[in-house]
Amino acid sequence: EPEVTQTPSHQVTQMGQEVILRCVPISNHLYFYWYRQILGQKVEFLVSFYNNEISEKSEIFDDQFSVERPDGSNFTLKIRSTKLEDSAMYFCASSLTGNQPQHFGDGTRLSIL
Amino acid sequence: SQELEQSPQSLIVQEGKNLTINCTSSKTLYGLYWYKQKYGEGLIFLMMLQKGGEEKSHEKITAKLDEKKQQSSLHITASQPSHAGIYLCGADMGNTDKLIFGTGTRLQVFP
Repeated sequence: EPEVTQTPSHQVTQMGQEVILRCVPISNHLYFYWYRQILGQKVEFLVSFYNNEISEKSEIFDDQFSVERPDGSNFTLKIRSTKLEDSAMYFCASSLTGNQPQHFGDGTRLSIL
Repeated sequence: SQELEQSPQSLIVQEGKNLTINCTSSKTLYGLYWYKQKYGEGLIFLMMLQKGGEEKSHEKITAKLDEKKQQSSLHITASQPSHAGIYLCGADMGNTDKLIFGTGTRLQVFP
């Protein structure tokens, strides 16, 4: 069964450094998403991406965040200057259309030191 | 106030018992999605409900969306240790791409 894959599974980074989280969505899906889950808290929406542009973003998704689909398969989340509070599990998801189920990857655990 | 609340927060049941998890929204639901999460892992899609009164089943798990479309329940029949995990409801509240998630229900099933 097709699945969303994320790399790396765990990323440890010094505060202030840039980090790029990578995702390969399900191949025929058209909508892509990033969510995050701070330890012990809810899963929170960050951004959605469709037709090579951001379609929606949350207030969490400020100027330090960016997303890109550099080729036909990868979808990346970049955090420009990481802060301690960026430590979380980051999930990528994809869906065939905007009102079809979102399928999630296993996540990248980001630890900021 | 929370947009989406789940109850109970935690559930410990003996293998073979039935159980129900509830998800209540403060707003009308345009779609309700149930996921299962194992600790430290991703969310596994279980079921999607879109119409009031809709009920879906997969193996021993049944989910229903109520007529007024502001509450959903997930029922597990004859629970097994493999059902253990965190169950999350995610809501589409209309005119948005995002899912709003509940706080989750941690289920433990002991032999």
